[in-house]
Amino acid sequence: DAMVIQNPRYQVTQFGKPVTLSCSQTLNHNVMYWYQQKSSQAPKLLFHYYDKDFNNEADTPDNFQSRRPNTSFCFLDIRSPGLGDAAMYLCATSNAGANVLTFGAGSRLTVL
Amino acid sequence: GQNIDQPTEMTATEGAIVQINCTYQTSGFNGLFWYQQHAGEAPTFLSYNVLDGLEEKGRFSSFLSRSKGYSYLLLKELQMKDSASYLCAVAVTGGGNKLTFGTGTQLKVEL
Repeated sequence: DAMVIQNPRYQVTQFGKPVTLSCSQTLNHNVMYWYQQKSSQAPKLLFHYYDKDFNNEADTPDNFQSRRPNTSFCFLDIRSPGLGDAAMYLCATSNAGANVLTFGAGSRLTVL
Repeated sequence: GQNIDQPTEMTATEGAIVQINCTYQTSGFNGLFWYQQHAGEAPTFLSYNVLDGLEEKGRFSSFLSRSKGYSYLLLKELQMKDSASYLCAVAVTGGGNKLTFGTGTQLKVEL
């Protein structure tokens, strides 16, 4: 089945230790998004790629970076995780012009 | 910016009907979405409204009034598995495919 796959599902890191979360998709969608969702809060868009074009949200901290080496893969890098970065990180995809997002299962990050 | 409001929690009985409301304030409205999210899982798409009126899809229906900045999700014949968070999300023109989500309504279905 075509889908969006995130790895790892659970990640524990230490304060300040870099983390990379990955997302892959078999839907051949040209838009990929990263959302951050903290407990009992709305998913918050960090950035998205429209093909190779990177679009950063104005309030996304520099601590968060992303890479999209090809259509299928997208990575979220957190350079120096703080306690406040503990959250569920959701990857989503869509086709350009279609607003329906397909989400992955998420990666839950714990920062010790 | 955009502002999306929905109730934090609701409780309903198995077999009953429940209506979850969402109000929004935005410029350049380009559609309203409802997603279902079970605890610890990804949001899954339920419905999409861009024109006024009611969209029905099985047990779930969604209504939109653009002039009032108002939508609701109607769930009929509630089942225990419907216990989840229901997220209202708004798309705006010029925003590409970006959605802004509300904080979600946690629905608890009881026997």
